[in-house]
Amino acid sequence: DAGVIQSPRHEVTEMGQEVTLRCKPISGHDYLFWYRQTMMRGLELLIYFNNNVPIDDSGMPEDRFSAKMPNASFSTLKIQPSEPRDSAVYFCATTRTSGTGELFFGEGSRLTVL
Amino acid sequence: AQSVTQLGSHVSVSEGALVLLRCNYSSSVPPYLFWYVQYPNQGLQLLLKYTSAATLVKGINGFEAEFKKSETSFHLTKPSAHMSDAAEYFCAVSVYTTSYGKLTFGQGTILTVHP
Repeated sequence: DAGVIQSPRHEVTEMGQEVTLRCKPISGHDYLFWYRQTMMRGLELLIYFNNNVPIDDSGMPEDRFSAKMPNASFSTLKIQPSEPRDSAVYFCATTRTSGTGELFFGEGSRLTVL
Repeated sequence: AQSVTQLGSHVSVSEGALVLLRCNYSSSVPPYLFWYVQYPNQGLQLLLKYTSAATLVKGINGFEAEFKKSETSFHLTKPSAHMSDAAEYFCAVSVYTTSYGKLTFGQGTILTVHP
């Protein structure tokens, strides 16, 4: 079975540009989480969805960040405009209600904002 | 709210020695507990999980962890370290009854294995 698929794996952009990160969850998983990992803050939960509906976005740092899940097979995390402090690895992780709550992680998208 | 504390951001052992990575949690209700491993430039991979069944949990790659409610601990151990165990390890807690799947992670422990 295919795991969680994230794209792009690496993104280098300049300050002020729009960045879109993408995630394809494991088929049948109805929860989707976006995490950010930095050296200073570790793993931070940004937002999560259940059945495509945002449940908790309290971790989204500011209005420059937005996330959508238009269907069960796709989610995006957008940063507009990007800033150097947004540089991090962004992970998408999914799980299913019928399991025991362990998350399955994608390989991550490493974002560098110059 | 739940939280996790991993004692020691760096642990160094010799190949063949015991590995002990410490994790203490805080939760007002019975938690689910997890250990994940992260190799460089990769995502997190589940090592093992405690979900209110047996308190001694065995995972992949020879790792195991014991849930001790009285000590609010969930330490990860492996009897004999291998070079391939060098990675970063994360302990995580979730309260499945109120926020299913929402894991809170510790700060991580980097394990170095010396030949």
